[in-house]
Amino acid sequence: DAMVIQNPRYQVTQFGKPVTLSCSQTLNHNVMYWYQQKSSQAPKLLFHYYDKDFNNEADTPDNFQSRRPNTSFCFLDIRSPGLGDAAMYLCATSRDDSSNQPQHFGDGTRLSIL
Amino acid sequence: GNSVTQMEGPVTLSEEAFLTINCTYTATGYPSLFWYVQYPGEGLQLLLKATKADDKGSNKGFEATYRKETTSFHLEKGSVQVSDSAVYFCALTYNQGGKLIFGQGTELSVKP
Repeated sequence: DAMVIQNPRYQVTQFGKPVTLSCSQTLNHNVMYWYQQKSSQAPKLLFHYYDKDFNNEADTPDNFQSRRPNTSFCFLDIRSPGLGDAAMYLCATSRDDSSNQPQHFGDGTRLSIL
Repeated sequence: GNSVTQMEGPVTLSEEAFLTINCTYTATGYPSLFWYVQYPGEGLQLLLKATKADDKGSNKGFEATYRKETTSFHLEKGSVQVSDSAVYFCALTYNQGGKLIFGQGTELSVKP
């Protein structure tokens, strides 16, 4: 089945130690999104790629970066994780960025900071 | 600005009860509206969508109608099951860019 796959499902890192989360998709979608979801809250968009074009949300901290080396893969890099960055990180894709296209989500990576 | 407001949870129902989760929105123009469901420990799954006024989205016994006059997109199901226990998010997108604006989520718990 075509899907969005996030690895790992659980990630533990140390305060200040860089960490990378990965997302892959077999849907061949043009757009890939990264969301941060804290406990009992709605997902919050960090940034997205339309093909190779990167679009950052205005309130996304500089500590968060992303890379999309090809259509299938997208990475979220947290350069110096703080305790406040502990959250579920969700990757999503859509065929294009028109408003009527649904987004398809992976199961997320839960990040813990020691 | 654009926003989505959902009824607060948690909502607790007995199996086979009728479900309504209220959702209202504020948006310029003509947004598309979605309901997503999140089971414990998982990502979000699209439940249903509607892209223009008076459209009805439906899936797995759930329904929601896009009501422009009341700016609402309430989720309904005639008979809930224990397996429907999850968090439900109402969301909209309103222009190019596909950015989803989510409501705060409503936790549903269905008891046998």
